[in-house]
Amino acid sequence: AQSVTQLDSQVPVFEEAPVELRCNYSSSVSVYLFWYVQYPNQGLQLLLKYLSGSTLVKGINGFEAEFNKSQTSFHLRKPSVHISDTAEYFCAAHSGNTGKLIFGQGTTLQVKP
Amino acid sequence: EPEVTQTPSHQVTQMGQEVILRCVPISNHLYFYWYRQILGQKVEFLVSFYNNEISEKSEIFDDQFSVERPDGSNFTLKIRSTKLEDSAMYFCARQGGVPEAFFGQGTRLTVV
Repeated sequence: AQSVTQLDSQVPVFEEAPVELRCNYSSSVSVYLFWYVQYPNQGLQLLLKYLSGSTLVKGINGFEAEFNKSQTSFHLRKPSVHISDTAEYFCAAHSGNTGKLIFGQGTTLQVKP
Repeated sequence: EPEVTQTPSHQVTQMGQEVILRCVPISNHLYFYWYRQILGQKVEFLVSFYNNEISEKSEIFDDQFSVERPDGSNFTLKIRSTKLEDSAMYFCARQGGVPEAFFGQGTRLTVV
């Protein structure tokens, strides 16, 4: 079955600490992978994407993610978080010929002062 | 400037009423999508629309839902007879040649 799994529903972290948000995908989805961020009461904003090439991709706001084919993972990282990074983060995979996205359950990143 | 503009931002409707959610993509693209996010849950695919036709729909997209692009610009999602469980955030997205979807800000639908 096509699926994207985010292993952590909530990740609390102190400001300026590093963070990793985990994402695994099933091999039945394509390897076009994305991370989206959703700030409170707002829409989905693209953070970064992996389409091909280098397995380490950099996105906006200092985030990066590494595509690992053997582990079917696409974990999101940031070396030093800010209060403003508090938001919901969704991992997604491109699926099928129509380009629909399969989303993970989301991870709430709570950055504490 | 948003890639996709959705109206209204929030709509409250009574159960059994029809609602139309609207989406206006800034530029012309091939694929359009509707997604739904029930409060506290993940984002779910509803339907994809290509070349003025439905190209794929999910199990959620039953007979009470319909989509169209009536004037070649607006892209609409109609729910014919709303139910309480239709309360959710509805997102429109567009995609061009690159497999990357751009989302609108969403319409929060509340069915009472």
